Parts: sequence; C-alpha cells; structure tokens
Amino acid sequence: GENVEQHPSTLSVQEGDSAVIKCTYSDSASNYFPWYKQELGKRPQLIIDIRSNVGEKKDQRIAVTLNKTAKHFSLHITETQPEDSAVYFCAASFSSGSARQLTFGSGTQLTVLP
Amino acid sequence: DAMVIQNPRYQVTQFGKPVTLSCSQTLNHNVMYWYQQKSSQAPKLLFHYYDKDFNNEADTPDNFQSRRPNTSFCFLDIRSPGLGDAAMYLCATSKQGGETQYFGPGTRLLVL
Repeated sequence: GENVEQHPSTLSVQEGDSAVIKCTYSDSASNYFPWYKQELGKRPQLIIDIRSNVGEKKDQRIAVTLNKTAKHFSLHITETQPEDSAVYFCAASFSSGSARQLTFGSGTQLTVLP
Repeated sequence: DAMVIQNPRYQVTQFGKPVTLSCSQTLNHNVMYWYQQKSSQAPKLLFHYYDKDFNNEADTPDNFQSRRPNTSFCFLDIRSPGLGDAAMYLCATSKQGGETQYFGPGTRLLVL
C-alpha cells in the first residue's frame, strides 16, 4: 500500500518568515495530493491540493510543488501569521474504484511566533 | 450551512460497552469514509462506503462495524470498546470518484 512520510514533525518560525513542509510517497499510482490544516480539536480542512499533471500550484500565501519523478511534494507558506499555527497533514491519493484512498503523512506542528 | 455533521461531539463509554457514532451529510455524496485519529497522529482510514457497497481496510479490527441505511447517514459501531479505541473519529464524504474529501467535526471517544 501507499506510504507517506512527512518532515519535519515540528516547525517554529518567526512571524513573516516562510515555512516549508516536505512529503514523500511510495506508490506511483497516486495522482492527487491534498494538504490539510487541522487546528486543535477541529476537523482537517483542505487548504490546497495538486494533481499529478501539474508541477506547482499557488493560492495567495500558500504554494505546493510536486516532483513526480522523485515522488515528493512540498507545502510552502510565505509571510506566515500567528493564525497559520496548526498541524498540517499531507496526503497522497489514488483512485480505488469509485472512491479515493487517502493516505496521510504523520503531520507537522507549525508554530508561528509573534 | 453544515455539510458533514457528526453526533455526538464527545462520547464517553465504558470498557466493553457497545457504542455507536453517527454521521450525516447534506452534500448528497456517494462516498462516506470513517477515519480514526489518535492523539498527535494522522487520520487512519477504517472503511468507506460507495453507496451501499462497503469497503473495509485490511487492518481494521473486527470490533469496528459500520452501517449506511441511506445516502445521508452512516454509523460507526464499536462492539466492545477497549482503552486503545479512545480517539477522535472523523467522518468524511466525497463525490463518486471525487478527489476532495470533506470532513466532519469529529467525535471524540473516551473509554473508561
């Protein structure tokens, strides 16, 4: 099955600095890579995603890059703000019939220091 | 405009006492998923339904069962909860073949 590794497990940055979280996946059949933000005690919320036919995608301060050959993808947050503090999960997904199997990374606790 | 609703938000049960968690959705999505998320860990898929077609993950314990009586509702039954089953249980939905999964707020289960 799919295996997703995520690094680092914790990340502290100063407000205004950039944060980068990296993930690798094992199954070349995976073709969809979402990133979720989860605040303490709340549901995971999709913040950005990328498909395997795209190398980079940006949405305001958030960007994701994908290297299919190397099987790794990264989340970049620029101009970080205290409200960006949360746990971030990457995931890799492949189609399984009519449903999608999502395998999550282990998560990164991001702390933005004011 | 709640989309995926889980009840209750917090559930306390006793060791070995059956418990049922519920999930409902207003999105009319074909696919519903149940995940288990233990403290400081990633969500782990337990099983999913495509309409009434049930798909169990290979490593999901037999202690966990699910029912989906109609499109809108899905239940997670834990037949004999152990201390190790204390976790947040997340329900999610997606369209048929859809990539995006929409998560509910979760039910936090405590086993005494």
